Amino acid sequence: GAVVSQHPSRVICKSGTSVKIECRSLDFQATTMFWYRQFPKQSLMLMATSNEGSKATYEQGVEKDKFLINHASLTLSTLTVTSAHPEDSSFYICSARARGTGRLDTFGSGTRLTVV
Amino acid sequence: QQQVKQSPQSLIVQKGGISIINCAYENTAFDYFPWYQQFPGKGPALLIAIRPDVSEKKEGRFTISFNKSAKQFSLHIMDSQPGDSATYFCAARNSGGSNYKLTFGKGTLLTVNP
Repeated sequence: GAVVSQHPSRVICKSGTSVKIECRSLDFQATTMFWYRQFPKQSLMLMATSNEGSKATYEQGVEKDKFLINHASLTLSTLTVTSAHPEDSSFYICSARARGTGRLDTFGSGTRLTVV
Repeated sequence: QQQVKQSPQSLIVQKGGISIINCAYENTAFDYFPWYQQFPGKGPALLIAIRPDVSEKKEGRFTISFNKSAKQFSLHIMDSQPGDSATYFCAARNSGGSNYKLTFGKGTLLTVNP
């Protein structure tokens, strides 16, 4: 089955620094990847959609300059949280979708970001 | 605006019992309705999904019932086990637009007591 690897699983960084999270589709080519944010005991909120080779589309209220998304290849998308602050601490989850699969999404295992 | 409403927020069931989680939607552009299971600290995993042209789908102990006219769908977990204890999210996929985005319900924390 489709597998999506997300790395790192958890990261602690100092306020003001940047953190990069990787999302890889291991056994399929992902034409579209999604990035979600999930606060404790809450639902997944879509942050942005990235299509390979084009700029990401951000949801309303998500700062594109703060959350940089790169989808440079069909198997890799990255989310960089720039100038991180404690309020950016959250669980970030990616999902990937292959062409021709009825648009079914496979989720990564998530990244717990803690900004201190 | 919450496009997918999920209830209950939490549910406690005895081992062997039936767990029922309900969801409702408004957007008629939704064309696919998956349920996800999420354990603490993990990403959501697809459990079962249904399309609106089907009224029921069963996979093992998990069944989705779908009522298109009422715009409601539900997940039934038969013979609930302690290992089923997790958060369950219903979702709906929007066929409008180019990216077929998923919208999630708020989640139901299921606890199955031994």
